[in-house]
Amino acid sequence: GQNIDQPTEMTATEGAIVQINCTYQTSGFNGLFWYQQHAGEAPTFLSYNVLDGLEEKGRFSSFLSRSKGYSYLLLKELQMKDSASYLCAVRDSNYQLIWGAGTKLIIKP
Amino acid sequence: SAVISQKPSRDICQRGTSLTIQCQVDSQVTMMFWYRQQPGQSLTLIATANQGSEATYESGFVIDKFPISRPNLTFSTLTVSNMSPEDSSIYLCSVEAGGSHSGANVLTFGAGSRLTVL
Repeated sequence: GQNIDQPTEMTATEGAIVQINCTYQTSGFNGLFWYQQHAGEAPTFLSYNVLDGLEEKGRFSSFLSRSKGYSYLLLKELQMKDSASYLCAVRDSNYQLIWGAGTKLIIKP
Repeated sequence: SAVISQKPSRDICQRGTSLTIQCQVDSQVTMMFWYRQQPGQSLTLIATANQGSEATYESGFVIDKFPISRPNLTFSTLTVSNMSPEDSSIYLCSVEAGGSHSGANVLTFGAGSRLTVL
């Protein structure tokens, strides 16, 4: 079966750095997405990786290793507004999106 | 990216009743997607709504329980029929923006409809 694993919950301190990991086992690979979802709101797109390596976008970076079935989302200079759930999703060989359950990130002052 | 208006934002429903969720997009799109998000769980695709043809349902979801309409390229509805407490969830509609981010088809979501079935 297809599976995406990410930690259920993480806690970090304002101003610090946090890395949220995502491992996947899917039928083929056609890209990996990270979405941010604040409580009670819709998911919003953060980043996309289809080739190995690091994609940087301001305070957020996303890394992909296809051989390891692994990605991480790196958040720097954490702000209170970064408290949210972060969803990892992989598009498989049939172009279906497989979603992880999300990582709830709690930022403490 | 597309802007999606979804309603109702939340509702409390009685067992055995049905509720229709509406999604309006500010641009024409070929496909609209309906998802369910149960607390602490993944987003689960219910069906893909295509204009002018029957919706395509994912395994575990059937038309009798989740009838979908797609009368034009900017609007769709999802009905949750004969509801039970197990249907309590957030229901989200979404559309794809093709090629907007390094060739990726990124999903834009409506704000979601939180249903509680008593």
